Amino acid sequence: SQQGEEDPQALSIQEGENATMNCSYKTSINNLQWYRQNSGRGLVHLILIRSNEREKHSGRLRVTLDTSKKSSSLLITASRAADTASYFCASPPRGAQKLVFGQGTRLTINP
Amino acid sequence: EAGVAQSPRYKIIEKRQSVAFWCNPISGHATLYWYQQILGQGPKLLIQFQNNGVVDDSQLPKDRFSAERLKGVDSTLKIQPAKLEDSAVYLCASSLIPMLSGANVLTFGAGSRLTVL
Repeated sequence: SQQGEEDPQALSIQEGENATMNCSYKTSINNLQWYRQNSGRGLVHLILIRSNEREKHSGRLRVTLDTSKKSSSLLITASRAADTASYFCASPPRGAQKLVFGQGTRLTINP
Repeated sequence: EAGVAQSPRYKIIEKRQSVAFWCNPISGHATLYWYQQILGQGPKLLIQFQNNGVVDDSQLPKDRFSAERLKGVDSTLKIQPAKLEDSAVYLCASSLIPMLSGANVLTFGAGSRLTVL
């Protein structure tokens, strides 16, 4: 069963623009993580946000968390061609000690 | 530090045949995970080990899939017999600490792509 659902499923933007991806989850969480997956590769951890945090930054990445709406967003500013990848949110369902991933957003940055 | 090693990278078999995947996690990582990722979908957890004990295998099709982690280090995932729907990428990941409240970060290998004909 999926804990998180990303939206949109696919996003195509021009290089230099900002990209925003959203994640909604079903049960209350303590933490939520975002991962990136380049084509044909494994997933790479990007950022972890705790339930008592509302916003977190890492370089060109900004993650927000709204626990009242059970949603998170990932913003990539000043996108580059190298940002082309799939992005996944992941969190453990309530009471479970495992990380469950959403279906992902496929981001394409056009030069 | 060396990453998570997986082999083989690619495998093509016919249905009803068997296949095995191998994973060597990052040295010192206590927790090891096998995920199945079907094309266009997110990874689905098959089995999670804490050292050499199983923490979660609720989504492992136990009639055909098996996994072991001997001595709490390397792990193998076996499929026997394979079905067409097993075509997927099998991702191995490891983390330093046990999965508690989702706070630990997973390091993934490059994956093993299985095609069942």
